Amino acid sequence: KQEVTQIPAALSVPEGENLVLNCSFTDSAIYNLQWFRQDPGKGLTSLLLIQSSQREQTSGRLNASLDKSSGRSTLYIAASQPGDSATYLCAALYYGNNRLAFGKGNQVVVIP
Amino acid sequence: DARVTQTPRHKVTEMGQEVTMRCQPILGHNTVFWYRQTMMQGLELLAYFRNRAPLDDSGMPKDRFSAEMPDATLATLKIQPSEPRDSAVYFCASGLELGHHTQYFGPGTRLTVL
Repeated sequence: KQEVTQIPAALSVPEGENLVLNCSFTDSAIYNLQWFRQDPGKGLTSLLLIQSSQREQTSGRLNASLDKSSGRSTLYIAASQPGDSATYLCAALYYGNNRLAFGKGNQVVVIP
Repeated sequence: DARVTQTPRHKVTEMGQEVTMRCQPILGHNTVFWYRQTMMQGLELLAYFRNRAPLDDSGMPKDRFSAEMPDATLATLKIQPSEPRDSAVYFCASGLELGHHTQYFGPGTRLTVL
């Protein structure tokens, strides 16, 4: 079964610390992997999309890496700010599938 | 600033009533998705349309749910009859081809079935 796991479900960090969020997927035959952000009461916003041929993607303070052989992706947020408080979800698109497989998210609180 | 819009934003109804949720995808996007989000199950795909044709609705309870795209600017998700276990947030998302492009999510419809 193609599953995506995000642990821990929730975490808190002091402002200024670097955030590291992990995502595990059970099948290495992924087409791409995406990270999304969800604020309370809102929809998801795409942060980064990594194709299977890529190792990482960067946007500002965000960096996402992809290691298919180990079934892992990491989202790294440098110098966290209170505005980074949100739930972060990763999603994998597997070959032969029409659907994204979503993790349940990491709920992040950045403490001022 | 192109966005996916969804109506209504909130809906409270009684068990057995029909519920219709609407979505306007971003102009030019050829894929439309309906998701359901709950605390227990997380985000689940209910239906997927490409060029208005339903490609995958295996995640949808067929006996009570139906999804359609009467035209390129409107997608609908209907529940008849609704049940308390249908209470969730329903998201619509649209995008270009799934493999190379991300999906843009609407703000969601929060459904409560009493």
